[in-house]
Amino acid sequence: DGGITQSPKYLFRKEGQNVTLSCEQNLNHDAMYWYRQDPGQGLRLIYYSQIVNDFQKGDIAEGYSVSREKKESFPLTVTSAQKNPTAFYLCASSISGQGVELRFGPGTRLTVT
Amino acid sequence: AQSVTQLGSHVSVSEGALVLLRCNYSSSVPPYLFWYVQYPNQGLQLLLKYTTGATLVKGINGFEAEFKKSETSFHLTKPSAHMSDAAEYFCAVSVNNNDMRFGAGTRLTVKP
Repeated sequence: DGGITQSPKYLFRKEGQNVTLSCEQNLNHDAMYWYRQDPGQGLRLIYYSQIVNDFQKGDIAEGYSVSREKKESFPLTVTSAQKNPTAFYLCASSISGQGVELRFGPGTRLTVT
Repeated sequence: AQSVTQLGSHVSVSEGALVLLRCNYSSSVPPYLFWYVQYPNQGLQLLLKYTTGATLVKGINGFEAEFKKSETSFHLTKPSAHMSDAAEYFCAVSVNNNDMRFGAGTRLTVKP
């Protein structure tokens, strides 16, 4: 059964450390996305990728970096430059085209102290 | 750019009562509209979507939504609430598939 996996479910880091969140999909989707969720703010787009080796910044890309070396994988690195990294991070994927829905992973809750 | 406003961050209903969650959108071109549901500490799951055609869209778990262009609305309804409907609901709008915009969410509480 196809889906999206994100690991780990919970992640704790000290301030000043970079941390990488994993996202893998076996849906054969071309597009992948990273969203950040904070209470009362909905989901905000960090980065997205439409094809391998290409990605674009979303609304809140500062302090984050991504790579897309394989179609199945889209890891997100939260760098020490991100001012307020504690949040719930959601990875999603979709087929290409207009009006298509996103398929979401279970999320990673990152806590930085 | 398109945007979504969800009216009411928290809605509380009794079990068996009507559920109405409000969503208004802003878009300069015909939008694609979505409702997603999120249970605690989980990802989002698609409830229903509107692309073209029939303006009344039926989704999973007995939910439906009606696209009203004149009112720029896409409200979500369910005739009879169940305890298992308690969750957070997000309305979303997109024009292209790389720019889906989400509302702030509405938390639905169902009282026994």
